[in-house]
Amino acid sequence: AQSVTQLDSHVSVSEGTPVLLRCNYSSSYSPSLFWYVQHPNKGLQLLLKYTSAATLVKGINGFEAEFKKSETSFHLTKPSAHMSDAAEYFCVVSEVDSNYQLIWGAGTKLIIKP
Amino acid sequence: EADIYQTPRYLVIGTGKKITLECSQTMGHDKMYWYQQDPGMELHLIHYSYGVNSTEKGDLSSESTVSRIRTEHFPLTLESARPSHTSQYLCATISGANVLTFGAGSRLTVL
Repeated sequence: AQSVTQLDSHVSVSEGTPVLLRCNYSSSYSPSLFWYVQHPNKGLQLLLKYTSAATLVKGINGFEAEFKKSETSFHLTKPSAHMSDAAEYFCVVSEVDSNYQLIWGAGTKLIIKP
Repeated sequence: EADIYQTPRYLVIGTGKKITLECSQTMGHDKMYWYQQDPGMELHLIHYSYGVNSTEKGDLSSESTVSRIRTEHFPLTLESARPSHTSQYLCATISGANVLTFGAGSRLTVL
């Protein structure tokens, strides 16, 4: 059975410092993994996705994530936080065995301090 | 420019009213989804459709119903709204490349 755990409900960093949003998953088969971002009062936007190609995935706005099968992790990182990065971030997993039903993490709220 | 449209964006209504949340997409995708999201919480799948005349209930039990008479249209209806239905409702489609596209959401408040 699939599941997704976002290890932090809130992450607070200073502007210009690195960002790390953690995500662990469980999946019976090779999963597809996604990170979505939701800015206040806006719709969800896809940041990046992993679909069994390169394990280091680069997304929009300078974000990237590394798929680590041995650790069942898909952590989201960014070298230098910007004020506009303040938002809620969701880690998502799907697999072909479940007909691509999506399992969502609870979300991590990223707070950027000036 | 959005390819998936939800209306209304915001709705405040009284208990017992019937409401329909509209969702339309211009991408010709077969798979469409309705998610419910309470503030600060994860999304929960309440309905999905794999094409015309196909509708299924999702993981979270919901008193709402959906229909899929046309590929581009996937409305969600609450026959008698209650305060417990207050939430944000997100419509989405999925492409063949397994990429979700979401609408901007409909925020419902039932008094």
